[in-house]
Amino acid sequence: SQTIHQWPATLVQPVGSPLSLECTVEGTSNPNLYWYRQAAGRGLQLLFYSVGIGQISSEVPQNLSASRPQDRQFILSSKKLLLSDSGFYLCAWSADRGATQYFGPGTRLLVL
Amino acid sequence: DQQVKQNSPSLSVQEGRISILNCDYTNSMFDYFLWYKKYPAEGPTFLISISSIKDKNEDGRFTVFLNKSAKHLSLHIVPSQPGDSAVYFCAASETSGTYKYIFGTGTRLKVLA
Repeated sequence: SQTIHQWPATLVQPVGSPLSLECTVEGTSNPNLYWYRQAAGRGLQLLFYSVGIGQISSEVPQNLSASRPQDRQFILSSKKLLLSDSGFYLCAWSADRGATQYFGPGTRLLVL
Repeated sequence: DQQVKQNSPSLSVQEGRISILNCDYTNSMFDYFLWYKKYPAEGPTFLISISSIKDKNEDGRFTVFLNKSAKHLSLHIVPSQPGDSAVYFCAASETSGTYKYIFGTGTRLKVLA
């Protein structure tokens, strides 16, 4: 069966520090991968998605970037965090275009 | 422009009664819809889906209804249980044109014992 991992679970970072959140999927090949953010009291905002290694589509101009160095690895990064980057970050995968997305456990990021 | 809307931010229902969560969309090209349940500090869990070729899909206590002409879908939970208390998100996709799902802002359901 497929599983999706995210780490760390919780992160507290100072403003201006770098960020690296990692997501890996097991049990499937060539998944579509997604990064979402849920700000406090808000819905799920799609940040990036990837349909293959090295292929990244950005949905929202922002302080963040994403990379997919391996088939089942998706990384969310920032060079300098802003206060507004605080939120709950979720990674998800799907088997194909339009297929059901399955989410990881999430990373709670607090930027102080 | 919010293409998927959940206009009720919260809903309280007595245990054993029916919970009805609503979702409206504006893009007539959406043809696949999902419902997720989310507990605090956890990732959303997939509940049930429906394709636009259907108007109803059931899975145990959960039923999703789709009204394409009204661009409206609803999730019915019968009977509601305290463990159903969570935030529910609907999501929509145009499966032939995109890899993305558009999510609503969620409805917080509280089932009262």
